[in-house]
Amino acid sequence: KAGVTQTPRYLIKTRGQQVTLSCSPISGHRSVSWYQQTPGQGLQFLFEYFSETQRNKGNFPGRFSGRQFSNSRSEMNVSTLELGDSALYLCASRLGASGYTFGSGTRLTVV
Amino acid sequence: KNEVEQSPQNLTAQEGEFITINCSYSVGISALHWLQQHPGGGIVSLFMLSSGKKKHGRLIATINIQEKHSSLHITASHPRDSAVYICAASGYGGATNKLIFGTGTLLAVQP
Repeated sequence: KAGVTQTPRYLIKTRGQQVTLSCSPISGHRSVSWYQQTPGQGLQFLFEYFSETQRNKGNFPGRFSGRQFSNSRSEMNVSTLELGDSALYLCASRLGASGYTFGSGTRLTVV
Repeated sequence: KNEVEQSPQNLTAQEGEFITINCSYSVGISALHWLQQHPGGGIVSLFMLSSGKKKHGRLIATINIQEKHSSLHITASHPRDSAVYICAASGYGGATNKLIFGTGTLLAVQP
């Protein structure tokens, strides 16, 4: 079966721009969560969506937002990009209380 | 102090050695996850534990709920086991689908 698909794989943006990342979960998985990974801070939780509702949120500024569609696909958006937003962004999907399945990530570089 | 502490940060082993990576957490959780990340970023979920012990091939994970401690063991280590191993806690503070991550252990297994 298809895994978790994240697009695009790589992205270069300029400071001040905004960016939208996409995550398609495994079919039937309704929970999608997003994570940021940087060399300095490691992996950090951004937010989690279930049935189009945000259930949990990490400690990130309001520039980071997300949404989930009725087919469980999710997008995250970062507005007014800063150099420090350069990171690997990972999403994961989950069925019930099972383990997480991660996507390959989107590597965002802000210049 | 991090909510999830992991040790050691770096580990070099000779092929065939028995390896142990430790993880401790400071408050009650619903589950402890062990993840593996290879260069390039992709994360694979190895185990999800809420009690006791699980085994998959040469990998064994244990958790002691009373001591708030988990270990990942690799028996008969092989160079292909070289990766970053990350423990993560879910259910922290009642947030079931929010993962809090340890800092990771970079394992290098030399032939």
